[in-house]
Amino acid sequence: GAGVSQSPRYKVAKRGQDVALRCDPISGHVSLFWYQQALGQGPEFLTYFQNEAQLDKSGLPSDRFFAERPEGSVSTLKIQRTQQEDSAVYLCASSLGGGKGEKLFFGSGTQLSVL
Amino acid sequence: QKEVEQNSGPLSVPEGAIASLNCTYSDRGSQSFFWYRQYSGKSPELIMFIYSNGDKEDGRFTAQLNKASQYVSLLIRDSQPSDSATYLCAVIVSGSARQLTFGSGTQLTVLP
Repeated sequence: GAGVSQSPRYKVAKRGQDVALRCDPISGHVSLFWYQQALGQGPEFLTYFQNEAQLDKSGLPSDRFFAERPEGSVSTLKIQRTQQEDSAVYLCASSLGGGKGEKLFFGSGTQLSVL
Repeated sequence: QKEVEQNSGPLSVPEGAIASLNCTYSDRGSQSFFWYRQYSGKSPELIMFIYSNGDKEDGRFTAQLNKASQYVSLLIRDSQPSDSATYLCAVIVSGSARQLTFGSGTQLTVLP
């Protein structure tokens, strides 16, 4: 596609529900990142994939958060038993991979509201 | 201490003026530095990156890096109302797997 695509654009969940957020990166991009952005804050790193391998998941806030990229393209971020503090915009970004100057392309994000 | 610190603003400048945005970082081993622009309700967009001490210019934008003082700045010349946005400073922290660590952003308003 022309850019990084994320769906849904908005998600409202009741506390305790499970949610799944989808990211479709730019075709051919090796690296894929998930970030969480709270209102008025900068994005906070969650996890990083290189192809299908999850190389860093140090930013995932709890074991309720799980991410996968089974075929090295589309990725899913799953949040189990959602809590109010999970309310944020979840951004996905992809890049060609390699090199210090790689340009990250961000998707439009999924705004998650947990009631 | 946060790894990347920015003055949250808001910063207001008149149209045509120079806007100066500053960022400090705590990891002395950091090597790669980025400035992103984020319009309200939109995703971040890369506008500059810099690795070496000194200045890097791209159109109306100049990034400045001083590793000894651990700060990086962004100058916007001839500011336009369309430059009104939040500017995010980001750093690749040494020892990390290439992920960016962002500051909280500085909100810039250019007044017509």
